Amino acid sequence: DAGVIQSPRHEVTEMGQEVTLRCKPISGHDYLFWYRQTMMRGLELLIYFNNNVPIDDSGMPEDRFSAKMPNASFSTLKIQPSEPRDSAVYFCASSLGVSGGTDTQYFGPGTRLTVL
Amino acid sequence: QKEVEQDPGPLSVPEGAIVSLNCTYSNSAFQYFMWYRQYSRKGPELLMYTYSSGNKEDGRFTAQVDKSSKYISLFIRDSQPSDSATYLCAMSFGNEKLTFGTGTRLTIIP
Repeated sequence: DAGVIQSPRHEVTEMGQEVTLRCKPISGHDYLFWYRQTMMRGLELLIYFNNNVPIDDSGMPEDRFSAKMPNASFSTLKIQPSEPRDSAVYFCASSLGVSGGTDTQYFGPGTRLTVL
Repeated sequence: QKEVEQDPGPLSVPEGAIVSLNCTYSNSAFQYFMWYRQYSRKGPELLMYTYSSGNKEDGRFTAQVDKSSKYISLFIRDSQPSDSATYLCAMSFGNEKLTFGTGTRLTIIP
């Protein structure tokens, strides 16, 4: 398997623009996670899905953020409108389950977002 | 106060030294404790996990959990330049999401 695939790898946009990040999880994994990483706050869970259904979106910072998983092989994270404070690296991860350390989360390479 | 605290470093040690990385946490309900390694411009990858208290060894790496002190450690023996990375601790209640530390950036000097 190619692992978790994310696109684009880098995104530079201007404040107010819509940004869409994409993720293809590992085939057969039932869970998909979206994280955001910054120097100040570290790695934060934004939302996760089980079998394409959002389970916990308590980490989504505000209504400007939305995530969808229309099928088992594709998910999007959208920011509209974007703000400079959204600049971060966004990671997608997938796993077979969520049983602590026994269900390893496999991370994608991340999307580095810069909002000017 | 954050649920999981981790010294961000940076930490620089000479090749061959023993490295000690640590995290403290506040929620005694955490049951699973993990260490992830993240190379520059890459996603984190699971290095080791431990359930509840105790030690676990895997090659040059040893993970320790002290639940009474709410303190976990990762030791790296005979450190190599290839160990240079950011190390993140993570914890969960089991059947739940992970809570990560902010990560410690480690550099092994040849």
